[in-house]
Amino acid sequence: EVQLVESGGGLVQSGESLRLSCAASGFTISSNDMSWVRQAPGKGLEWVSTISGSGGRTFYADSVKGRFTVSRDNSKNTLYLQMNSLRVEDTAVYYCAKDVDSWTGCNDYWGQGTLVTVSS
Amino acid sequence: EIVMTQSPATLSVSPGERATLSCRASQSVSSNLAWYQQKPGQAPRLLIYGASTRATGIPARFTGSGSGTEFTLTISSLQSEDFAVYYCQQYNNWPRTFGQGTKVEVK
Repeated sequence: EVQLVESGGGLVQSGESLRLSCAASGFTISSNDMSWVRQAPGKGLEWVSTISGSGGRTFYADSVKGRFTVSRDNSKNTLYLQMNSLRVEDTAVYYCAKDVDSWTGCNDYWGQGTLVTVSS
Repeated sequence: EIVMTQSPATLSVSPGERATLSCRASQSVSSNLAWYQQKPGQAPRLLIYGASTRATGIPARFTGSGSGTEFTLTISSLQSEDFAVYYCQQYNNWPRTFGQGTKVEVK
């Protein structure tokens, strides 16, 4: 059974850093494209970042480029999102999600989400 | 960036009735379009990808159609568990972008 479990969220001040983790089971993240999607309180979904299964290419939304870094530890089957220089507008529930496949950039499995709150 | 526009923002439907949700892309996304369902406090659930392919375990009452810039999600006979917010997403171009959502509520 595919499972994704996020952790690492919390309350931080503007300008601080946080690292989110997403532990995967039931499949191998190194063989799959993996993404982070966020949702601000009461708002819609916003794609944040994707790391490809093969080659580890990374992609970012303009809103986080240069501040966030996606990575993975294949030995731990875990995905990460390093978030630096956090802003109030980064406050959201962050979901990790598995892409359907390398040619289909939508997400068939999602974690339960972890809340990041950035205060001023 | 491709802008995805969903309509209507809110759709009031009685159980057993048909619901038709629309999604428009600011430029062609071919058939690289997905639909998700999200209930309060839950993660999104993939319903449709490739504009018309149902994801695993999705009931046949959910049908996706369209290509290019105009897409539709039809729920043939609304069940109580279908009242939720629905999002479309294009994955033809980076960045991937979502519509703002359509809330399907009980009439």
